Amino acid sequence: DQQVKQNSPSLSVQEGRISILNCDYTNSMFDYFLWYKKYPAEGPTFLISISSIKDKNEDGRFTVFLNKSAKHLSLHIVPSQPGDSAVYFCAASVDFNKFYFGSGTKLNVKP
Amino acid sequence: NAGVTQTPKFQVLKTGQSMTLQCAQDMNHNSMYWYRQDPGMGLRLIYYSASEGTTDKGEVPNGYNVSRLNKREFSLRLESAAPSQTSVYFCASREQRGVNTEAFFGQGTRLTVV
Repeated sequence: DQQVKQNSPSLSVQEGRISILNCDYTNSMFDYFLWYKKYPAEGPTFLISISSIKDKNEDGRFTVFLNKSAKHLSLHIVPSQPGDSAVYFCAASVDFNKFYFGSGTKLNVKP
Repeated sequence: NAGVTQTPKFQVLKTGQSMTLQCAQDMNHNSMYWYRQDPGMGLRLIYYSASEGTTDKGEVPNGYNVSRLNKREFSLRLESAAPSQTSVYFCASREQRGVNTEAFFGQGTRLTVV
């Protein structure tokens, strides 16, 4: 049973608009959350993270929001660019060693 | 500055054959991981090594063995490959200093078992 779920397999957004990628988790013990970006034929690369003691973390065009009561995580990309087109994975950890990944959301940013 | 290097990049095996996937990192990280990625399943942890000399099972360890040869290298072995092990395998490493840090991934090994 997946502890981290990304229920939208794909998302299409117009260039310049906001992309919102969502992630839900079931384990209330998770205390660290990350987003990874993956291009075809490459390994995932780290994008942004958030600790459970925060509800928001920003890095340039990327912002991650954490709603612990809802066990929900979201990644906002503003403005979206064609180079952002990739598969995005959310991941969560409870003991710094085991990271549980969602199934990924494929983002397509249209020029 | 290679980061995490995996070999081979592609491999085709017959059912029952064995092979070892190699992984090396040059970032002096303590922790290393093996994941597999399957369509619709995301990345699932097979085994991990929190430090040199230790290994632990992840979510899907059956059919695999690992060796943490030294701080740099962490290998994954399939003793008797099965078609269900057709997947893309990723190795990752991470510095574990008691604070939250991200893992760095290799480019992956695409394995097909026929």
